Amino acid sequence: NAGVTQTPKFQVLKTGQSMTLQCAQDMNHNSMYWYRQDPGMGLRLIYYSASEGTTDKGEVPNGYNVSRLNKREFSLRLESAAPSQTSVYFCASSGTGARLYFGPGTRLTVT
Amino acid sequence: KNEVEQSPQNLTAQEGEFITINCSYSVGISALHWLQQHPGGGIVSLFMLSSGKKKHGRLIATINIQEKHSSLHITASHPRDSAVYICAVRRSQGNLIFGKGTKLSVKP
Repeated sequence: NAGVTQTPKFQVLKTGQSMTLQCAQDMNHNSMYWYRQDPGMGLRLIYYSASEGTTDKGEVPNGYNVSRLNKREFSLRLESAAPSQTSVYFCASSGTGARLYFGPGTRLTVT
Repeated sequence: KNEVEQSPQNLTAQEGEFITINCSYSVGISALHWLQQHPGGGIVSLFMLSSGKKKHGRLIATINIQEKHSSLHITASHPRDSAVYICAVRRSQGNLIFGKGTKLSVKP
């Protein structure tokens, strides 16, 4: 099992550009999450999906959109990137046991 | 005040020492997680607990629901234990809230 995979690992964008971060899990988990991690702050929830076909806003959803394409895949889209979105992004999933499994992270820089 | 507070923020220990990292929270919870973030950035779940104590190898996690406090202990610490340890609580009705982490450095 690959667990939770994320692409890309690194990305540099110019202000105003768009991009999609991809996440997939092969553990048949219902719940998937997108977090961002900034220096000096705890992980913060951007969006989550409790099951295929549903998505909900988390703590910091502004400037992002998500798609739960199927049970395996949960993507995060930045429509018009801003320097404030420079961060490390983690995708995670959990099943009925509620233990969290994290992807390796995407380091995004917006200039 | 943050809903999840960890202490200390930074901790340096000598190899072999017994280490304790603390987590206090101010909300009602259904579970508490301890996570480890490696220097390379990857995050691994160590424990999920809602009462009592759990042990895995040299790691022990305890929680006191009445006092809203949890501790993570590492016995016989080793340089490979150097990482950031993160406490996260799941609100009784809601998502996880994360602490800012404790950066542990174990010197040989």
